Amino acid sequence: EPEVTQTPSHQVTQMGQEVILRCVPISNHLYFYWYRQILGQKVEFLVSFYNNEISEKSEIFDDQFSVERPDGSNFTLKIRSTKLEDSAMYFCASKYRDSTDTQYFGPGTRLTVL
Amino acid sequence: KNQVEQSPQSLIILEGKNCTLQCNYTVSPFSNLRWYKQDTGRGPVSLTIMTFSENTKSNGRYTATLDADTKQSSLHITASQLSDSASYICVVSPQYNFNKFYFGSGTKLNVKP
Repeated sequence: EPEVTQTPSHQVTQMGQEVILRCVPISNHLYFYWYRQILGQKVEFLVSFYNNEISEKSEIFDDQFSVERPDGSNFTLKIRSTKLEDSAMYFCASKYRDSTDTQYFGPGTRLTVL
Repeated sequence: KNQVEQSPQSLIILEGKNCTLQCNYTVSPFSNLRWYKQDTGRGPVSLTIMTFSENTKSNGRYTATLDADTKQSSLHITASQLSDSASYICVVSPQYNFNKFYFGSGTKLNVKP
């Protein structure tokens, strides 16, 4: 069965450094998402992406964050200058169409900011 | 304010027993409601998706119900197994934006032998 993949599985970085989290969505999917989950807390929506542009973003997704689909297969989340509070699990997800299609999540990248 | 509240926060049951998890939401107008299962340290996995016109949806031993009038949903797990131990998350999308998702905090289920 096709699956969403994410790399790396764990990223450790120093505060103030830039990080790029990578995702490969399921190949025929058109809608892409990033979420984060701080340890012990609920999953939070960050951003949705369709047709090479952001379609929705949350209040969390400020100027420090950006997303890109550089080559038609990868979907990346960049954090420009990481803060301690960015430490979390970051999940990528994708779905084929709009409305009620199943959203498939990747296994996540654990980001630790020191 | 659009919110999704789940109860109980955590639940312990014995293997083989049934249980019901609750989700109340204030998202309006409402489009669809999803239940996910999330194993510790893993990404959520979709169990059911219901639109406002559906009352019930089953996926194996999981049955979700929806009352769009009272803005309540429940997830019933039948004949629980040890592998059902996980967090169960209710997620609601508004009618005006299918790409917006409001997550509940989840119910952490522990199935004991």
